[in-house]
Amino acid sequence: DSGVTQTPKHLITATGQRVTLRCSPRSGDLSVYWYQQSLDQGLQFLIQYYNGEERAKGNILERFSAQQFPDLHSELNLSSLELGDSALYFCASSRLAVDGELFFGEGSRLTVL
Amino acid sequence: QQQVKQSPQSLIVQKGGISIINCAYENTAFDYFPWYQQFPGKGPALLIAIRPDVSEKKEGRFTISFNKSAKQFSLHIMDSQPGDSATYFCAASSASKIIFGSGTRLSIRP
Repeated sequence: DSGVTQTPKHLITATGQRVTLRCSPRSGDLSVYWYQQSLDQGLQFLIQYYNGEERAKGNILERFSAQQFPDLHSELNLSSLELGDSALYFCASSRLAVDGELFFGEGSRLTVL
Repeated sequence: QQQVKQSPQSLIVQKGGISIINCAYENTAFDYFPWYQQFPGKGPALLIAIRPDVSEKKEGRFTISFNKSAKQFSLHIMDSQPGDSATYFCAASSASKIIFGSGTRLSIRP
């Protein structure tokens, strides 16, 4: 158990809809990262927050947004969903702003029909 | 310059054999090189990591070899077991970011 909690574990929705994925980092970790992993693909970095502020942005679509709240949990919002958005979405946390040691949650599997 | 190139994409090894996965980087600012192991349906988990001031780090059956001059590092799994079947990601981090390799799907044949 990494200590990172992601909900929901599974989500099935229709094209055009909007979903919110939630992540609670490990206790004491200030940094939260979001990654997308499509079937048999690598880890695509989406966005990172550190202590409530956006720190780095990767290949995140304009339809997607995220935030980190004062209690350090984070939410990833995906809107106007398309079939190609079906993927595993991972949240990871670390203690520092930049740390090679990330702790990943078990992921949220999104299926868009 | 920000890429970490990982090979092979997939690897099949007989039980008891040695599994070797290679990674190369370009940015000399990277100063921490972790390997992550991911089982199907699970999140990646840190397996072993090395800093560039040493050429090798061993933890049980897992060894990282690091060649600073060539900007390459590799993961060796000795006496590979079916339970090692997973996807392995190398990564490189610096003061500003962490970059992951594209992953290697390892299958250990019984």
